[in-house]
Amino acid sequence: DAGITQSPRYKITETGRQVTLMCHQTWSHSYMFWYRQDLGHGLRLIYYSAAADITDKGEVPDGYVVSRSKTENFPLTLESATRSQTSVYFCASSPGQGVGGYTFGSGTRLTVV
Amino acid sequence: QQQVKQSPQSLIVQKGGISIINCAYENTAFDYFPWYQQFPGKGPALLIAIRPDVSEKKEGRFTISFNKSAKQFSLHIMDSQPGDSATYFCAAWGNNDMRFGAGTRLTVKP
Repeated sequence: DAGITQSPRYKITETGRQVTLMCHQTWSHSYMFWYRQDLGHGLRLIYYSAAADITDKGEVPDGYVVSRSKTENFPLTLESATRSQTSVYFCASSPGQGVGGYTFGSGTRLTVV
Repeated sequence: QQQVKQSPQSLIVQKGGISIINCAYENTAFDYFPWYQQFPGKGPALLIAIRPDVSEKKEGRFTISFNKSAKQFSLHIMDSQPGDSATYFCAAWGNNDMRFGAGTRLTVKP
């Protein structure tokens, strides 16, 4: 299926555990992004990638790790989950920065207990 | 600090009325201003966008008004429908940085 898909849709994990959220896009967009959405804060950028093997920090990168070995995949890893990382996570892609807006996935709701 | 301030947080409008959501930005490097619409359980979807060289852009019932000198822009939804009930985010992009407002939850009552 064409588009941008995130998995899992829902995840419950325990404090201190490592968890990886997956993101896959089929358009070969250069840019990919990870956002977290929290009430009152809107969408905040965690990390972004301009191309395979090129990643950079966003507004709230602490506690997260990303990699991009292939253009189509951009996984986000929480190395040691904390309750403050309970959130809805969205992956997005774009053919270029500021070009035509971003296309978002359906999100992953992560709960850290 | 929030670089894009959005208001109101929530908005209730009667069917057929006009919904107005306002945003203000600080960074003059921003040069692309999209609006996103998000339904429950879904990701935000691009609704309409404007660049600062025009003061207004209209697509169907949705209009963006842009005031560059005031660093403000707004979304107007004409003839609001219950199907427009969603959360709306304004955003501003510039210098490889996209910043989002906190969102407005719109409810259109039938």
